[in-house]
Amino acid sequence: GIQVEQSPPDLILQEGANSTLRCNFSDSVNNLQWFHQNPWGQLINLFYIPSGTKQNGRLSATTVATERYSLLYISSSQTTDSGVYFCAVASLTQGGSEKLVFGKGMKLTVNP
Amino acid sequence: DTGVSQDPRHKITKRGQNVTFRCDPISEHNRLYWYRQTLGQGPEFLTYFQNEAQLEKSRLLSDRFSAERPKGSFSTLEIQRTEQGDSAMYLCATHSWATGGKGQPQHFGDGTRLSIL
Repeated sequence: GIQVEQSPPDLILQEGANSTLRCNFSDSVNNLQWFHQNPWGQLINLFYIPSGTKQNGRLSATTVATERYSLLYISSSQTTDSGVYFCAVASLTQGGSEKLVFGKGMKLTVNP
Repeated sequence: DTGVSQDPRHKITKRGQNVTFRCDPISEHNRLYWYRQTLGQGPEFLTYFQNEAQLEKSRLLSDRFSAERPKGSFSTLEIQRTEQGDSAMYLCATHSWATGGKGQPQHFGDGTRLSIL
């Protein structure tokens, strides 16, 4: 099955710093999503981005499908950005599902 | 637009007991997925429904687990004879899908956190 690797595994930043998270995947995909999991365990959709570039406020994401990687940029980080960031990908299975395969996540800590 | 709703949010039970979780999807979403997340890991796929049909099951879904989606609306996940290793967060996700249609993101509920004593 598809393999998903995220880097770095952990990151500690001072408030106001910028960061880039990387997601590599092993096969072609038709779904790629970035999530933020907050300390209460809620998975928050950040981007649905199987290809191209999107921006939402201080966050932006780029997926280069032909090279099998995606990047999540966080600018001017805030303490509320702390949590775990997941990249998840899917390709159509024989059963027709788009089951997501998640990376191990990247734990971000933003200090005031 | 209400999101995906899961109930209960937390469940604590003794080993050997049966538990059942419920997921209510976003109303127009015909595809529903169950995932399980253990501490320090990303969620892992358990099973998938298109409308009322269960079309795929993971090897993680032992015979103690059963899932249903009667009438293609809400879904239930039951675990019989719970074991310590079943302690995890159980997440439900839904999205809409139509043949030839544009792909849609999966939306997750807040999960049910199961603790086995």
